[in-house]
Amino acid sequence: SQELEQSPQSLIVQEGKNLTINCTSSKTLYGLYWYKQKYGEGLIFLMMLQKGGEEKSHEKITAKLDEKKQQSSLHITASQPSHAGTYLCGADEGKGAAGNKLTFGGGTRVLVKP
Amino acid sequence: NAGVTQTPKFQVLKTGQSMTLQCAQDMNHEYMSWYRQDPGMGLRLIHYSVGAGITDQGEVPNGYNVSRSTTEDFPLRLLSAAPSQTSVYFCASRRTRVAKNIQYFGAGTRLSVL
Repeated sequence: SQELEQSPQSLIVQEGKNLTINCTSSKTLYGLYWYKQKYGEGLIFLMMLQKGGEEKSHEKITAKLDEKKQQSSLHITASQPSHAGTYLCGADEGKGAAGNKLTFGGGTRVLVKP
Repeated sequence: NAGVTQTPKFQVLKTGQSMTLQCAQDMNHEYMSWYRQDPGMGLRLIHYSVGAGITDQGEVPNGYNVSRSTTEDFPLRLLSAAPSQTSVYFCASRRTRVAKNIQYFGAGTRLSVL
């Protein structure tokens, strides 16, 4: 089965600074999803990446999928307190019916210091 | 737009008690799943269903039962609760037939087994 490793496990960033989270897969990624979770709450969908080299942005958050489709990064520019939380990457297990199941990385906990 | 609704939000059980965690979605999604989230373990798949009448085991199915009698509902049953089942449980749904579809999560149920 697919394994996803996220790094770092946690980070503390000064408000206004940039940060990057990485998600590395043991297999080719057919669909890669980024979620955000605030403490005590559910997962909120951020972005989905499908094609090698794809890049998507929403407000100050940019996600990229590398050409080989085995690594993704999430970059936050000029971080704000609202960016605090745990970020999780998830990936489709495969194509077709196998792609119905998602595997998740362990998460990256982000704390933004004012 | 309710999305994925989980009840209850919090529950405390004694060892050996049984209970059902409820999950309902109003998006007509074929695929539904249950995850548990534990510190340092990330999200782990318990059971999933690709449609009414069809269920299958995920990564950590022991101690849990599921059924899918309707498209909308996917309850998770703990027949004899154990302290090891203390966790946060998330229900999720997505469309199937085509992979690379967004999975939507409920707000979670925090379960403590004493």
